[in-house]
Amino acid sequence: QQPVQSPQAVILREGEDAVINCSSSKALYSVHWYRQKHGEAPVFLMILLKGGEQKGHEKISASFNEKKQQSSLYLTASQLSYSGTYFCGTATHGSSNTGKLIFGQGTTLQVKP
Amino acid sequence: DVKVTQSSRYLVKRTGEKVFLECVQDMDHENMFWYRQDPGLGLRLIYFSYDVKMKEKGDIPEGYSVSREKKERFSLILESASTNQTSMYLCASSLPSGPLLGYEQYFGPGTRLTVT
Repeated sequence: QQPVQSPQAVILREGEDAVINCSSSKALYSVHWYRQKHGEAPVFLMILLKGGEQKGHEKISASFNEKKQQSSLYLTASQLSYSGTYFCGTATHGSSNTGKLIFGQGTTLQVKP
Repeated sequence: DVKVTQSSRYLVKRTGEKVFLECVQDMDHENMFWYRQDPGLGLRLIYFSYDVKMKEKGDIPEGYSVSREKKERFSLILESASTNQTSMYLCASSLPSGPLLGYEQYFGPGTRLTVT
């Protein structure tokens, strides 16, 4: 079952902040975040592992609440280059050794000047 | 840099044709994945492979099959294309994950398939 992302879409002005949420009904081992610009392939942003280890960007941060099976992506002081569709990908314990991810439906972020 | 290439950016096929989509990665990754992307539905996993000749079904395998004869190449096959298989198809690869390990997936540019 796909994780649920919210909001589905958000429009910001440059410099504003945004939070994108990802919620799963299953116990999670890790959460990945990707960004896809229009007409391009998704690009990795961040991975959050059970136990708290985090890898990824400096300017974009994320949290992972294992008990609630939720993750949030924080975009601060947004730039025009942040525009795109953001996907979370979740791995459950059963799939943790295969690298299999189940992706959410995506959140479209538009940053305006 | 990791590079994942797909054989075609755009493809138009007729209903009932057998369609092959090819994906090649150059980083010696064990894992390879095929997704389809449709508006509002995100990325849905069709099949994945964690080793040569090994494959597992994803969430929407019906109407598709795969082949992995060499480590760097993962093929998606539509046995008899139908109009509801019109979509964007994305291939990805990654290193194998494990306990306390997680590795990002690298995506190819995608193939937009239209079945008429």
